[in-house]
Amino acid sequence: GDSVTQMEGPVTLSEEAFLTINCTYTATGYPSLFWYVQYPGEGLQLLLKATKADDKGSNKGFEATYRKETTSFHLEKGSVQVSDSAVYFCALKGFQKLVFGTGTRLLVSP
Amino acid sequence: SQTIHQWPATLVQPVGSPLSLECTVEGTSNPNLYWYRQAAGRGLQLLFYSVGIGQISSEVPQNLSASRPQDRQFILSSKKLLLSDSGFYLCAWSLFGTGDQPQHFGDGTRLSIL
Repeated sequence: GDSVTQMEGPVTLSEEAFLTINCTYTATGYPSLFWYVQYPGEGLQLLLKATKADDKGSNKGFEATYRKETTSFHLEKGSVQVSDSAVYFCALKGFQKLVFGTGTRLLVSP
Repeated sequence: SQTIHQWPATLVQPVGSPLSLECTVEGTSNPNLYWYRQAAGRGLQLLFYSVGIGQISSEVPQNLSASRPQDRQFILSSKKLLLSDSGFYLCAWSLFGTGDQPQHFGDGTRLSIL
């Protein structure tokens, strides 16, 4: 079945450092891919998405490119801020429902 | 614009008591609706989803049930709560269909079972 694998956290960075959170997927066909962010005590918010190969999703300085050849959708940001501290979930859209990775916690220190 | 409301925000219940969590969506018609559970420090587990009134798909066998009495209302219930039912429960909606529509989440209910 469909599945998403994310790097285990926590990822600990200093402010202004470069961020990469790896995400790979297994799916039949060509699913849409998403990154969600969850701030402490809150629900999930859609961060960005890509619907086909080579699409790049971007939002709030975050980017991810849909790589069909490596079945990956890695999340990147050039310069993180303390306010980016959260849990990040990679997900793919299967039939009628999303399949989530286990989440990666990001901790950014001043 | 569309909004999703979930309540209560927090709930403390004794083992064996009943449960009812409610979720409503405004600003759209015939949405797909979802209930997830997030255990402490874990990922999201899809519990139920619904593509229409009275249509419920269960993803995992458990102590919980779901109902959709109205188009934009989704209820999560239990007759007798277990300790293992503790967690963060999230409701979500998406536009009807199987395309690339993202899901939009409520703020969640933190359920603690004593």
